[in-house]
Amino acid sequence: DAGVIQSPRHEVTEMGQEVTLRCKPISGHNSLFWYRQTMMRGLELLIYFNNNVPIDDSGMPEDRFSAKMPNASFSTLKIQPSEPRDSAVYFCAGRAGDGELFFGEGSRLTVL
Amino acid sequence: QKEVEQNSGPLSVPEGAIASLNCTYSDRGSQSFFWYRQYSGKSPELIMFIYSNGDKEDGRFTAQLNKASQYVSLLIRDSQPSDSATYLCAVASNDMRFGAGTRLTVKP
Repeated sequence: DAGVIQSPRHEVTEMGQEVTLRCKPISGHNSLFWYRQTMMRGLELLIYFNNNVPIDDSGMPEDRFSAKMPNASFSTLKIQPSEPRDSAVYFCAGRAGDGELFFGEGSRLTVL
Repeated sequence: QKEVEQNSGPLSVPEGAIASLNCTYSDRGSQSFFWYRQYSGKSPELIMFIYSNGDKEDGRFTAQLNKASQYVSLLIRDSQPSDSATYLCAVASNDMRFGAGTRLTVKP
């Protein structure tokens, strides 16, 4: 298996633009998590899905952030409009049952 | 609010020494506990998990769990320069939340 695949790996955009981050989890992983990592705040849980259903989005910082999981093999995290404070590394991770998380390589976002 | 706290570090130990990393958590409903290692610019990777009170050993690594004290620790014996990284404590119930991490440097 190719592991968790995230795209893009790097994105540089200007304030106000829409950003869409994508994730393809490992087949069979029924839970999917989105995290944001910064030096100041560490690894923050934004939202997680079980069997494609959003369970807890209390970590989503503002209405500018939204996430979807239309099927078991694809999820998106969208920021609209983006702001400089959204600059971070965004990780997608999958989990089977109560086991470990398997992380993607991350999407590094820079908002100018 | 579920919180996971780690000793902030940074922690520096000489090669061959024991490195001790600590973590406390607030959610008593937490069921499983993980230690991840993250090298700079990379994604976190699993070192160990522990579900039951007591110690669990895997090579040079020992995880310790005390649910009554809501405390998890990781000991690294015979520390090597390649162990230099940030160590993240993760606590899971239905979700999984991470501490801020402890940066460890092992000096040759």
